[in-house]
Amino acid sequence: EPEVTQTPSHQVTQMGQEVILRCVPISNHLYFYWYRQILGQKVEFLVSFYNNEISEKSEIFDDQFSVERPDGSNFTLKIRSTKLEDSAMYFCASSGGQGPSTDTQYFGPGTRLTVL
Amino acid sequence: GEDVEQSLFLSVREGDSSVINCTYTDSSSTYLYWYKQEPGAGLQLLTYIFSNMDMKQDQRLTVLLNKKDKHLSLRIADTQTGDSAIYFCAESTFSGGYNKLIFGAGTRLAVHP
Repeated sequence: EPEVTQTPSHQVTQMGQEVILRCVPISNHLYFYWYRQILGQKVEFLVSFYNNEISEKSEIFDDQFSVERPDGSNFTLKIRSTKLEDSAMYFCASSGGQGPSTDTQYFGPGTRLTVL
Repeated sequence: GEDVEQSLFLSVREGDSSVINCTYTDSSSTYLYWYKQEPGAGLQLLTYIFSNMDMKQDQRLTVLLNKKDKHLSLRIADTQTGDSAIYFCAESTFSGGYNKLIFGAGTRLAVHP
């Protein structure tokens, strides 16, 4: 069964450094998302992406964040200058393929980002 | 704004039924989802229900939707130790091909012998 994959599974970085989190969505999906889950808190929407542009972003997704689909398979989230409060689990999701529910989002296993 | 609330913890005996409840605020929600998260793992889609349905059954899972009260429940029949996980309720509003999920805080289900 097709699945969303994410790399790395765990990323440790120093405050102020740039990080890129990578995702490979399900191959025939058209809509891509990033969510994050700070430890002990709710899963929060960050951004949605379609047709090579951002469809919607939350107030969390400020100028330090950017997303890109550099080729036909990868979808990346970049944090330009990480802060301590960026430490969280970041989930990628995709939707919009064929089938009974094209709107259902399928999630990757997550990347745990730790900012020191 | 949109909000989803869930009770935080549920403990059941193996073989009993579990019922996890959720309330949401956005009356325009078109889809409601249940995701499962096992320790250290990602979010696994369990089931979903369209807002024009009252009930959906999928093997051991039964989803009930009371749209008037904005209440959603997930019943797991014959609960097993492998069902121990955090269960997230999420609502979405379909918007031009994509939807943004609003999650509850998750209900931690503990299954004991």
